[in-house]
Amino acid sequence: ETGVTQSPTHLIKTRGQQVTLRCSSQSGHNTVSWYQQALGQGPQFIFQYYREEENGRGNFPPRFSGLQFPNYSSELNVNALELDDSALYLCASRSWGRSSYEQYFGPGTRLTVT
Amino acid sequence: KQEVTQIPAALSVPEGENLVLNCSFTDSAIYNLQWFRQDPGKGLTSLLLIQSSQREQTSGRLNASLDKSSGRSTLYIAASQPGDSATYLCAVLFSGGYNKLIFGAGTRLAVHP
Repeated sequence: ETGVTQSPTHLIKTRGQQVTLRCSSQSGHNTVSWYQQALGQGPQFIFQYYREEENGRGNFPPRFSGLQFPNYSSELNVNALELDDSALYLCASRSWGRSSYEQYFGPGTRLTVT
Repeated sequence: KQEVTQIPAALSVPEGENLVLNCSFTDSAIYNLQWFRQDPGKGLTSLLLIQSSQREQTSGRLNASLDKSSGRSTLYIAASQPGDSATYLCAVLFSGGYNKLIFGAGTRLAVHP
Protein backbone atom coordinates (compact mmCIF):
# COMPACT_ATOMS: atom_id res chain seq x y z
CA GLU A 1 0.00 0.00 0.00
CA THR A 2 1.57 3.29 -1.10
CA GLY A 3 1.28 6.33 1.11
CA VAL A 4 0.21 9.88 0.31
CA THR A 5 2.74 11.71 -1.83
CA GLN A 6 3.05 15.42 -2.62
CA SER A 7 5.04 17.46 -5.11
CA PRO A 8 7.03 19.56 -5.20
CA THR A 9 8.78 19.42 -1.83
CA HIS A 10 9.70 23.09 -1.81
CA LEU A 11 8.64 26.04 -3.92
CA ILE A 12 9.55 29.73 -4.02
CA LYS A 13 7.20 32.17 -5.72
CA THR A 14 6.84 35.91 -6.02
CA ARG A 15 3.85 37.86 -4.73
CA GLY A 16 1.09 37.99 -7.36
CA GLN A 17 2.10 34.76 -9.08
CA GLN A 18 0.06 31.57 -9.28
CA VAL A 19 1.07 28.14 -7.96
CA THR A 20 -0.13 24.54 -8.35
CA LEU A 21 0.59 21.88 -5.75
CA ARG A 22 -0.03 18.19 -6.36
CA CYS A 23 -1.08 15.24 -4.23
CA SER A 24 -1.44 11.52 -4.89
CA SER A 25 -3.82 9.82 -2.49
CA GLN A 26 -3.04 6.64 -0.67
CA SER A 27 -4.10 3.58 -2.65
CA GLY A 28 -7.82 2.87 -2.23
CA HIS A 29 -8.65 6.35 -0.88
CA ASN A 30 -11.27 8.44 -2.69
CA THR A 31 -11.42 11.54 -0.50
CA VAL A 32 -8.74 14.18 -0.26
CA SER A 33 -8.40 17.24 1.96
CA TRP A 34 -5.94 20.12 1.88
CA TYR A 35 -4.58 21.98 4.88
CA GLN A 36 -2.40 25.06 5.33
CA GLN A 37 0.05 25.15 8.22
CA ALA A 38 1.71 28.45 9.05
CA LEU A 39 4.89 28.39 11.10
CA GLY A 40 4.25 27.53 14.74
CA GLN A 41 0.55 26.83 14.23
CA GLY A 42 -1.65 23.81 13.71
CA PRO A 43 -2.91 22.99 10.21
CA GLN A 44 -6.01 24.84 8.97
CA PHE A 45 -8.56 23.11 6.73
CA ILE A 46 -8.75 24.56 3.21
CA PHE A 47 -11.18 22.21 1.43
CA GLN A 48 -12.12 18.62 0.71
CA TYR A 49 -12.83 16.73 -2.51
CA TYR A 50 -14.89 13.59 -3.00
CA ARG A 51 -15.78 12.11 -6.39
CA GLU A 52 -14.14 15.08 -8.10
CA GLU A 53 -16.43 17.58 -6.36
CA GLU A 54 -15.59 20.04 -3.61
CA ASN A 55 -17.81 19.13 -0.65
CA GLY A 56 -16.43 21.24 2.15
CA ARG A 57 -14.40 24.44 2.48
CA GLY A 58 -12.75 26.25 5.33
CA ASN A 59 -12.30 29.98 5.77
CA PHE A 60 -10.17 30.55 2.66
CA PRO A 61 -10.84 32.96 -0.23
CA PRO A 62 -11.84 31.81 -3.73
CA ARG A 63 -8.29 32.31 -5.03
CA PHE A 64 -7.64 28.96 -3.35
CA SER A 65 -9.12 26.33 -5.65
CA GLY A 66 -8.67 22.67 -6.31
CA LEU A 67 -9.27 19.68 -8.52
CA GLN A 68 -9.63 15.98 -7.98
CA PHE A 69 -9.03 13.60 -10.86
CA PRO A 70 -10.62 10.21 -11.65
CA ASN A 71 -7.57 8.45 -10.22
CA TYR A 72 -8.20 10.41 -6.98
CA SER A 73 -5.05 12.51 -7.29
CA SER A 74 -5.57 16.17 -6.52
CA GLU A 75 -4.29 19.68 -7.13
CA LEU A 76 -4.36 22.82 -5.03
CA ASN A 77 -4.15 26.06 -7.00
CA VAL A 78 -3.50 29.43 -5.43
CA ASN A 79 -3.83 32.60 -7.52
CA ALA A 80 -2.52 36.10 -6.78
CA LEU A 81 -0.11 34.87 -4.14
CA GLU A 82 0.31 36.95 -1.01
CA LEU A 83 3.16 36.94 1.50
CA ASP A 84 0.84 35.34 4.10
CA ASP A 85 0.40 32.34 1.81
CA SER A 86 3.89 31.22 2.83
CA ALA A 87 3.25 27.97 4.70
CA LEU A 88 3.47 24.19 4.64
CA TYR A 89 0.62 22.77 2.54
CA LEU A 90 -0.53 19.31 3.57
CA CYS A 91 -2.69 16.86 1.71
CA ALA A 92 -4.62 14.13 3.50
CA SER A 93 -6.60 11.22 2.11
CA ARG A 94 -9.08 8.71 3.44
CA SER A 95 -11.59 6.21 2.16
CA TRP A 96 -15.12 7.60 2.23
CA GLY A 97 -17.48 5.26 4.00
CA ARG A 98 -14.95 3.78 6.37
CA SER A 99 -16.29 4.32 9.83
CA SER A 100 -12.94 5.18 11.34
CA TYR A 101 -12.62 8.47 9.37
CA GLU A 102 -8.87 8.16 9.87
CA GLN A 103 -6.90 10.48 7.65
CA TYR A 104 -3.42 9.92 6.28
CA PHE A 105 -1.17 12.88 5.58
CA GLY A 106 1.52 13.44 3.00
CA PRO A 107 4.93 15.02 3.67
CA GLY A 108 3.76 18.48 2.60
CA THR A 109 4.93 21.18 0.20
CA ARG A 110 6.77 24.15 1.69
CA LEU A 111 5.72 27.31 -0.19
CA THR A 112 7.66 30.53 0.27
CA VAL A 113 6.25 33.73 -1.21
CA THR A 114 8.67 36.64 -1.53
CA LYS B 1 -17.12 27.83 17.90
CA GLN B 2 -15.30 24.49 17.72
CA GLU B 3 -11.76 24.87 19.04
CA VAL B 4 -8.91 22.64 20.16
CA THR B 5 -6.34 23.77 22.71
CA GLN B 6 -3.10 22.08 23.69
CA ILE B 7 -1.18 22.62 26.89
CA PRO B 8 1.72 23.06 27.41
CA ALA B 9 2.96 24.79 24.25
CA ALA B 10 6.47 23.51 24.92
CA LEU B 11 8.04 20.93 27.20
CA SER B 12 11.65 20.01 27.92
CA VAL B 13 12.36 16.85 29.92
CA PRO B 14 15.32 14.59 30.68
CA GLU B 15 15.45 11.21 29.03
CA GLY B 16 13.53 8.49 30.84
CA GLU B 17 10.73 10.63 32.22
CA ASN B 18 7.08 9.72 31.81
CA LEU B 19 5.13 12.66 30.51
CA VAL B 20 1.59 13.79 29.72
CA LEU B 21 0.45 16.07 26.94
CA ASN B 22 -2.98 17.65 27.21
CA CYS B 23 -5.62 18.46 24.63
CA SER B 24 -8.99 20.09 25.27
CA PHE B 25 -11.88 20.70 22.88
CA THR B 26 -14.98 22.83 23.11
CA ASP B 27 -17.73 20.48 21.85
CA SER B 28 -18.35 16.97 23.11
CA ALA B 29 -20.08 15.91 19.86
CA ILE B 30 -17.10 14.35 18.11
CA TYR B 31 -16.48 11.44 15.73
CA ASN B 32 -12.91 10.86 16.77
CA LEU B 33 -9.69 12.39 18.01
CA GLN B 34 -6.26 11.82 16.48
CA TRP B 35 -2.81 12.44 17.88
CA PHE B 36 -0.07 13.22 15.36
CA ARG B 37 3.67 13.66 15.52
CA GLN B 38 5.42 16.24 13.37
CA ASP B 39 9.17 16.54 12.97
CA PRO B 40 10.53 19.98 11.97
CA GLY B 41 9.50 20.92 8.44
CA LYS B 42 7.89 17.53 7.84
CA GLY B 43 4.40 16.13 7.40
CA LEU B 44 2.18 14.53 10.02
CA THR B 45 2.55 10.98 11.28
CA SER B 46 -0.58 9.52 12.86
CA LEU B 47 0.16 8.07 16.30
CA LEU B 48 -3.23 7.11 17.71
CA LEU B 49 -6.87 7.43 16.71
CA ILE B 50 -9.58 7.26 19.36
CA GLN B 51 -13.17 6.81 18.24
CA SER B 52 -15.87 8.68 20.16
CA SER B 53 -17.08 5.39 21.67
CA GLN B 54 -13.62 4.52 23.04
CA ARG B 55 -11.89 5.66 26.23
CA GLU B 56 -8.29 4.96 25.31
CA GLN B 57 -5.87 3.57 22.76
CA THR B 58 -2.36 2.24 23.22
CA SER B 59 0.59 1.79 20.90
CA GLY B 60 3.91 0.80 22.36
CA ARG B 61 5.01 3.46 24.84
CA LEU B 62 2.10 5.72 23.91
CA ASN B 63 -1.32 5.78 25.52
CA ALA B 64 -4.08 8.21 24.62
CA SER B 65 -7.25 8.69 26.63
CA LEU B 66 -10.48 10.43 25.77
CA ASP B 67 -13.08 11.98 28.06
CA LYS B 68 -15.80 13.45 25.86
CA SER B 69 -17.91 14.78 28.71
CA SER B 70 -15.10 17.01 29.94
CA GLY B 71 -13.76 17.71 26.45
CA ARG B 72 -10.29 16.37 27.19
CA SER B 73 -7.71 13.97 25.85
CA THR B 74 -4.26 13.15 27.15
CA LEU B 75 -1.28 11.56 25.44
CA TYR B 76 0.94 9.67 27.84
CA ILE B 77 4.50 8.88 26.76
CA ALA B 78 6.33 6.38 28.91
CA ALA B 79 10.10 6.32 29.38
CA SER B 80 10.76 9.22 27.00
CA GLN B 81 13.73 9.07 24.62
CA PRO B 82 15.60 11.77 22.66
CA GLY B 83 14.01 10.34 19.50
CA ASP B 84 10.61 11.38 20.86
CA SER B 85 11.58 15.04 20.38
CA ALA B 86 9.02 16.53 17.98
CA THR B 87 5.80 18.53 17.94
CA TYR B 88 2.71 16.61 18.98
CA LEU B 89 -0.60 17.71 17.50
CA CYS B 90 -4.09 16.85 18.64
CA ALA B 91 -6.88 16.96 16.03
CA VAL B 92 -10.62 16.52 16.47
CA LEU B 93 -13.22 15.50 13.92
CA PHE B 94 -16.38 17.12 15.22
CA SER B 95 -19.79 15.69 14.34
CA GLY B 96 -21.25 17.41 11.30
CA GLY B 97 -17.79 18.51 10.21
CA TYR B 98 -17.63 16.16 7.22
CA ASN B 99 -13.94 15.49 6.91
CA LYS B 100 -12.63 18.64 8.55
CA LEU B 101 -10.10 18.09 11.30
CA ILE B 102 -9.67 20.91 13.82
CA PHE B 103 -6.11 21.02 15.12
CA GLY B 104 -4.55 22.39 18.24
CA ALA B 105 -1.37 24.46 17.93
CA GLY B 106 0.72 21.56 19.22
CA THR B 107 3.11 20.81 22.06
CA ARG B 108 6.80 21.10 21.19
CA LEU B 109 8.63 18.35 23.09
CA ALA B 110 12.38 18.21 23.66
CA VAL B 111 13.84 15.16 25.39
CA HIS B 112 17.48 15.68 26.33
CA PRO B 113 19.98 12.93 27.17
